[in-house]
Amino acid sequence: QQQVKQSPQSLIVQKGGISIINCAYENTAFDYFPWYQQFPGKGPALLIAIRPDVSEKKEGRFTISFNKSAKQFSLHIMDSQPGDSATYFCAASGGYSTLTFGKGTMLLVSP
Amino acid sequence: ETGVTQSPTHLIKTRGQQVTLRCSSQSGHNTVSWYQQALGQGPQFIFQYYREEENGRGNFPPRFSGLQFPNYSSELNVNALELDDSALYLCASSLELGREEKLFFGSGTQLSVL
Repeated sequence: QQQVKQSPQSLIVQKGGISIINCAYENTAFDYFPWYQQFPGKGPALLIAIRPDVSEKKEGRFTISFNKSAKQFSLHIMDSQPGDSATYFCAASGGYSTLTFGKGTMLLVSP
Repeated sequence: ETGVTQSPTHLIKTRGQQVTLRCSSQSGHNTVSWYQQALGQGPQFIFQYYREEENGRGNFPPRFSGLQFPNYSSELNVNALELDDSALYLCASSLELGREEKLFFGSGTQLSVL
């Protein structure tokens, strides 16, 4: 049973455009929702994270939007750059449980 | 850099063999987790160790086992390797239990089982 569903599987965005990746979760015990960025040959690196007490969090060009009633959250990358080309994973955890990851979105930002 | 180092970076084994993967956590990090990342998939939780005791386990068979040592290093052992065990194995450490926001991943060990 996949507890975190991520879409789309892949995404191509032009330089300067907005990249949007969506995730949905099932377990209402989840209370921590991070996004990870992974480059080839590297481990995932924490990009930005949110807890359910806020509906939006912004850090630089990266914004998480969170909808608790719909059990959905999304990552927006503003002014996307070729250096943002990577695989992005949403994840969720709750209490002392470890992270449950989505299947990932491969983002390509074309110059 | 995350301060989490894994060795080896790549490994090739044959079906039925045993393998040991190693991880060195950041100093002071008493929690280590291991994840399996199959090609084109997200990482899947294998197990977690806290102060040298297994603290949680994902949906992996007993032939996956681990150890955590007092010097912040840890091991993942896999017995009777199967072809489906081919994956990137990631080690992640954190300062304390439940602090997932302080989780740092290593670059992983790419295991190929032939």
